[in-house]
Amino acid sequence: GQNIDQPTEMTATEGAIVQINCTYQTSGFNGLFWYQQHAGEAPTFLSYNVLDGLEEKGRFSSFLSRSKGYSYLLLKELQMKDSASYLCAVRERGQAGTALIFGKGTTLSVSS
Amino acid sequence: GAGVSQSPRYKVAKRGQDVALRCDPISGHVSLFWYQQALGQGPEFLTYFQNEAQLDKSGLPSDRFFAERPEGSVSTLKIQRTQQEDSAVYLCASSKILSSGNTIYFGEGSWLTVV
Repeated sequence: GQNIDQPTEMTATEGAIVQINCTYQTSGFNGLFWYQQHAGEAPTFLSYNVLDGLEEKGRFSSFLSRSKGYSYLLLKELQMKDSASYLCAVRERGQAGTALIFGKGTTLSVSS
Repeated sequence: GAGVSQSPRYKVAKRGQDVALRCDPISGHVSLFWYQQALGQGPEFLTYFQNEAQLDKSGLPSDRFFAERPEGSVSTLKIQRTQQEDSAVYLCASSKILSSGNTIYFGEGSWLTVV
């Protein structure tokens, strides 16, 4: 099984940079995803990492270290609309049932 | 369709009532997932289908929960004799043939309140 940990809440101001950390324990790692979820809405895909290193996509970047069981999501030039829950999810290597297993999410509040 | 569609969006059920939640995945998506999300929590895995085959139902919390996808497209999650602890958002998601990098796309969820 998996154990995924991420901070419950974070706050930041507009224009700033914030880093949301995620640590995981899994018996067979097969990819890590970050999703954004606004209140009352569906989770939407942000990024995917399967190899070590940094993946950059506009204002958002995601980093993975498989040996440390660690990932972070970096959000730059924060905007008010970035206030949301950020979900770290891990996929395990296996046969059937390789669904994503989610952490509890980090609620980010961006203030002006 | 363009996205994953779920119905009803909102459902209020009396305790003991049976409910059925429908999911219409993205056209051509082979894999379909059901998740349960309580307020302030991350989605919890319930069950997974590949086409019409239910390959993993390890997350279903009790035998009151039942899911099916008889023709490999639309899926129904049924909850029998609902209890207050069943109150949650039920998210359906789909993806192309399951491989490590394929993104899972979520519907907006069915919000179930048991009173």
